Amino acid sequence: DTGVSQNPRHKITKRGQNVTFRCDPISEHNRLYWYRQTLGQGPEFLTYFQNEAQLEKSRLLSDRFSAERPKGSFSTLEIQRTEQGDSAMYLCASSSFTHSTYEQYFGPGTRLTVT
Amino acid sequence: AQTVTQSQPEMSVQEAETVTLSCTYDTSESDYYLFWYKQPPSRQMILVIRQEAYKQQNATENRFSVNFQKAAKSFSLKISDSQLGDAAMYFCAYWEGGADGLTFGKGTHLIIQP
Repeated sequence: DTGVSQNPRHKITKRGQNVTFRCDPISEHNRLYWYRQTLGQGPEFLTYFQNEAQLEKSRLLSDRFSAERPKGSFSTLEIQRTEQGDSAMYLCASSSFTHSTYEQYFGPGTRLTVT
Repeated sequence: AQTVTQSQPEMSVQEAETVTLSCTYDTSESDYYLFWYKQPPSRQMILVIRQEAYKQQNATENRFSVNFQKAAKSFSLKISDSQLGDAAMYFCAYWEGGADGLTFGKGTHLIIQP
């Protein structure tokens, strides 16, 4: 068990460009979450997958944000036409769900800077 | 919508002393889960302790314990015998289960004075 991994760890992009981030959850976890964390704030929930199904996406910040989890394993988060306000840390978390184990384990995050 | 409030932006404690971080939340649900997460500088979020709302007994994990007051919607974290490695941002989080994610407070920056 190597934990949740995210790539890249840092991304600098120019306004208007598209960016994609990858999250690899803990292997036996079927639940996957994306969050955004801005400076001085707690993480803000964006979207949720159970296996390959995206069961909650109403909290994505705009239609420029989209996420996939094509085979129920890794996930990608894409931001199209980036804006300076998109600069933030993007966190991924995974979990299983049993009576006793439901907590979310977080990855190290991808820090996005839009110039 | 649920809200989580951490009223202490920053707390400072002497090494080996005890400190309590406050958290209140607002919900109309009776079944939910509460968490404290720790985020060291430039490092990833780590779960410290969790509490199921249906359990009356307060959770304990080594030096970390909670005071869960369901009626008051309060969930404070007590850190005993504070260590330098405890220095971090601490986030209180609420979860109803289902398809929703965690709702976090704004965090408390904990400083450990040697």
